[in-house]
Amino acid sequence: GAGVSQSPSNKVTEKGKDVELRCDPISGHTALYWYRQSLGQGLEFLIYFQGNSAPDKSGLPSDRFSAERTGGSVSTLTIQRTQQEDSAVYLCASSLAGGPETQYFGPGTRLLVL
Amino acid sequence: AQKVTQAQTEISVVEKEDVTLDCVYETRDTTYYLFWYKQPPSGELVFLIRRNSFDEQNEISGRYSWNFQKSTSSFNFTITASQVVDSAVYFCALSASSISKLIWGLGTSLAVNP
Repeated sequence: GAGVSQSPSNKVTEKGKDVELRCDPISGHTALYWYRQSLGQGLEFLIYFQGNSAPDKSGLPSDRFSAERTGGSVSTLTIQRTQQEDSAVYLCASSLAGGPETQYFGPGTRLLVL
Repeated sequence: AQKVTQAQTEISVVEKEDVTLDCVYETRDTTYYLFWYKQPPSGELVFLIRRNSFDEQNEISGRYSWNFQKSTSSFNFTITASQVVDSAVYFCALSASSISKLIWGLGTSLAVNP
């Protein structure tokens, strides 16, 4: 079956512009996670969805970051008024349920803010 | 508090050497899960193994083996007869029953040289 997909794979934008990143989880997976990985760094948790609800959004770095999930499936991460420090790889993962279930990752979106 | 420590930042070995990647975790939960993921240069995180806290049996999968020791709170990963294709960043992660997200180590970058 299809894995987690993300689009776009690469995004170059100018400082101050808004960007939207999309994640299509594995079909049937109720949990969805967004992470950020800066160059050579570990994974930084951003937000967790269970269905369409986000019980844990503690990792969103500022109010410029928001995310939504619709239909218990596709999720969109939006970054408003992008800054250069937002440049990173944004990774999406899904799992059958939250908690201890194995997370399966997409290929990521590489964001470069000029 | 939940924490995962991967003390080895970078390891370099010559092909066919055995190599062990260390992972030490902290949690007060009695039920928890431990994971290893591989991130090759292509960037996509690949799930390797999931182990629950009640199963201390060592696991072997081909050239890969995992040693789980609750007494030392460690979940170490050994690659036998390493190959160049094993070059990647390896992440250890913890999921405790009291939280909904994975706690990640900072990763160990493994370089296997021909």
